[in-house]
Amino acid sequence: DQQVKQNSPSLSVQEGRISILNCDYTNSMFDYFLWYKKYPAEGPTFLISISSIKDKNEDGRFTVFLNKSAKHLSLHIVPSQPGDSAVYFCAASAQGRDDKIIFGKGTRLHILP
Amino acid sequence: ETGVTQSPTHLIKTRGQQVTLRCSSQSGHNTVSWYQQALGQGPQFIFQYYREEENGRGNFPPRFSGLQFPNYSSELNVNALELDDSALYLCASSSARAGTGELFFGEGSRLTVL
Repeated sequence: DQQVKQNSPSLSVQEGRISILNCDYTNSMFDYFLWYKKYPAEGPTFLISISSIKDKNEDGRFTVFLNKSAKHLSLHIVPSQPGDSAVYFCAASAQGRDDKIIFGKGTRLHILP
Repeated sequence: ETGVTQSPTHLIKTRGQQVTLRCSSQSGHNTVSWYQQALGQGPQFIFQYYREEENGRGNFPPRFSGLQFPNYSSELNVNALELDDSALYLCASSSARAGTGELFFGEGSRLTVL
């Protein structure tokens, strides 16, 4: 029973263009969402998060959008750079109810020169 | 500031054996979470320790157990190893109960069970 779903295993984007990574969730108790980035042979690193009281959060080239009615969030990277090539994990948690963060399977992003 | 460190980085065990993985949390963090990442999957929550007590557990059998020490470092123990236990085991620390907080991950311990 996957509560956090990333349906695209991989995505290729031209350098300089926008990368859009998508994530869907099924648990309506989730109220905090995070994106992590992982390079090979390294642990995941936190990228950006959003609370369910917001619909957008921006940090430099990274913006996360949340559509609660659709239980969908997306990460936009613009402009995409070669160093953005990595695996991106969408994650979610239910504040105050559970201390576990649930991760999706990840999307491998390739930035093409 | 010292980050999260895990040991060993790689190890090979045979079915039925026991393994202990170790994690030193980031300076100032009192919460440690353990995750299992199988090939092609996202990290799956095993359990979390806060102030030396287990504070939440995922869908893992009792043969997965852990400890947290007064200095907030932690161990993950797995008994009666099975082939499906082969995975990358990630430790993450945080400064509060991790329900909404940012987790700081180590590089992981890759376990192969033959």
